[in-house]
Amino acid sequence: KAGVTQTPRYLIKTRGQQVTLSCSPISGHRSVSWYQQTPGQGLQFLFEYFSETQRNKGNFPGRFSGRQFSNSRSEMNVSTLELGDSALYLCASSPEAGYNEKLFFGSGTQLSVL
Amino acid sequence: DAKTTQPPSMDCAEGRAANLPCNHSTISGNEYVYWYRQIHSQGPQYIIHGLKNNETNEMASLIITEDRKSSTLILPHATLRDTAVYYCIVRMLNTGTASKLTFGTGTRLQVTL
Repeated sequence: KAGVTQTPRYLIKTRGQQVTLSCSPISGHRSVSWYQQTPGQGLQFLFEYFSETQRNKGNFPGRFSGRQFSNSRSEMNVSTLELGDSALYLCASSPEAGYNEKLFFGSGTQLSVL
Repeated sequence: DAKTTQPPSMDCAEGRAANLPCNHSTISGNEYVYWYRQIHSQGPQYIIHGLKNNETNEMASLIITEDRKSSTLILPHATLRDTAVYYCIVRMLNTGTASKLTFGTGTRLQVTL
């Protein structure tokens, strides 16, 4: 089985631009979540989608948004980029929504905002 | 979710057992203990999880104290490839939402020759 695939692997943008990141979960997985990782803040939860519905949201501004498609693939969008948005964005998938499910992470998209 | 406390760093000689401690004194009865690790420039990787009993899989063993206020992850024969940041996470029971994990700062394990 292929793992979680995130594209692109690296991205360079300038302030004020917007960006869309893509995540393809493991085949059969219906839950997709997104995390932001920075050296200063560590790994922080952004949001989670299950069956095309946002189930949970972290404490991030409205510039961060996401969606999930019927095939469980997910995208996240960041508008009006700021320097502080430079980070590794990680996507994780799991089969179902439940408290004891382990997560499978992709390798992430490294976003640099100049 | 309960908060966890881990030492910031540890060293281990290759071939020896690596014992990584975690304190989670405010854990509640329906919370599981999970361990993940993150090798440089990769996404976190699930290692093991447990509720009350000790658990073992092909990667590691998890020892949870009887009062569940602390746990230890054991890598029985550490190799250089086990050099990573190890995260101990306590996960709240929340039916219907899978994945709002709260990662702390973790323990940076350095395995040396």
